[in-house]
Amino acid sequence: DVKVTQSSRYLVKRTGEKVFLECVQDMDHENMFWYRQDPGLGLRLIYFSYDVKMKEKGDIPEGYSVSREKKERFSLILESASTNQTSMYLCASTIGYQPQHFGDGTRLSIL
Amino acid sequence: AQSVTQLDSQVPVFEEAPVELRCNYSSSVSVYLFWYVQYPNQGLQLLLKYLSGSTLVKGINGFEAEFNKSQTSFHLRKPSVHISDTAEYFCAVSASGNQFYFGTGTSLTVIP
Repeated sequence: DVKVTQSSRYLVKRTGEKVFLECVQDMDHENMFWYRQDPGLGLRLIYFSYDVKMKEKGDIPEGYSVSREKKERFSLILESASTNQTSMYLCASTIGYQPQHFGDGTRLSIL
Repeated sequence: AQSVTQLDSQVPVFEEAPVELRCNYSSSVSVYLFWYVQYPNQGLQLLLKYLSGSTLVKGINGFEAEFNKSQTSFHLRKPSVHISDTAEYFCAVSASGNQFYFGTGTSLTVIP
């Protein structure tokens, strides 16, 4: 089974901090994704990556950046955290046209 | 870009009753369709997928879905629900393999 691991289940940070969310997958998947999930809004794509060092903006990239230095790892960075970035963050990976596999999510609170 | 509509944000249903969760998508080009389930404080788990072939797709936990190309729909059904089916359900569409579009979710509550 594919395993997608997110480094933290719960995280509390302060406004202005630089925040790193890490995601690792173990199946050599080409494509990796970061979403945020908010009630009533479903999943919104922040960034995705289709190869090492390659990235594409999603629907809501403002305030975020990403890094993919190795195929298995995709990091989401909040450059200067703000309270409106309090949310559930989900990482996913896939290959070809197969369905995405998701991590358990990181519930991030910015105080 | 695709859009995915889940018309029902909340669906209450009594235990052992049938349920249908509706999903419509915007484009009639070739697409790949998915239903996911999310339990509280967890990630999304794949219920079933349509990639090609038979339009009736069977998934885990007794769920099934029917792909209707003319109506651009992919409704999820279960003939008899259980308390443990209480969760959030998401429909997703992909046309390219590296872009997935999700509906806003349907919260299914099974009433004892």
